[in-house]
Amino acid sequence: DTGVSQDPRHKITKRGQNVTFRCDPISEHNRLYWYRQTLGQGPEFLTYFQNEAQLEKSRLLSDRFSAERPKGSFSTLEIQRTEQGDSAMYLCASSPRQGSTEAFFGQGTRLTVV
Amino acid sequence: RKEVEQDPGPFNVPEGATVAFNCTYSNSASQSFFWYRQDCRKEPKLLMSVYSSGNEDGRFTAQLNRASQYISLLIRDSKLSDSATYLCVTNYGGATNKLIFGTGTLLAVQP
Repeated sequence: DTGVSQDPRHKITKRGQNVTFRCDPISEHNRLYWYRQTLGQGPEFLTYFQNEAQLEKSRLLSDRFSAERPKGSFSTLEIQRTEQGDSAMYLCASSPRQGSTEAFFGQGTRLTVV
Repeated sequence: RKEVEQDPGPFNVPEGATVAFNCTYSNSASQSFFWYRQDCRKEPKLLMSVYSSGNEDGRFTAQLNRASQYISLLIRDSKLSDSATYLCVTNYGGATNKLIFGTGTLLAVQP
């Protein structure tokens, strides 16, 4: 499978616990995005990496959220001290180059905080 | 006000019908425009880009009116397999090129 891969697909956690999600973009895609989607809404931008550099973070990304892309390949998104409002689908997308208009999405990680 | 506004639907139409979705965007700096399709509990996938001259891909026709900041998608001869959420999307270009999504319009094609 040469598409964007996300792991895990589903995560149920208790409020207050930390969770970490992983995204493997399409090979050679240097642009990587994280989005969050709640029920009945479209995806909302969280953060953007170009290679290993995190170039933009949304104000939605509170200080409990941190994302990394240490070698410019896979990325991780960590949520500390989860809250029920964090329950959502977390989507990763990658694009091949500057100016490319198409983003390829992974299947997402569905987080449920109980 | 949301940056991209869509009627959430649902649109319930019989097979073979023609259905049109509309979308407005608020930021005149928007550079590119798209329709994405999202099946239930799946990831969004690009359906088609939208160009000022209008463009067609089989049964799907997309239109853009920059002056009115309005985008449309027309689906002719609806199939059961067209049932999905259709997301109107823009971006501002620039270094990030992030996508701005509408809430989506749910289409249910009935047999």
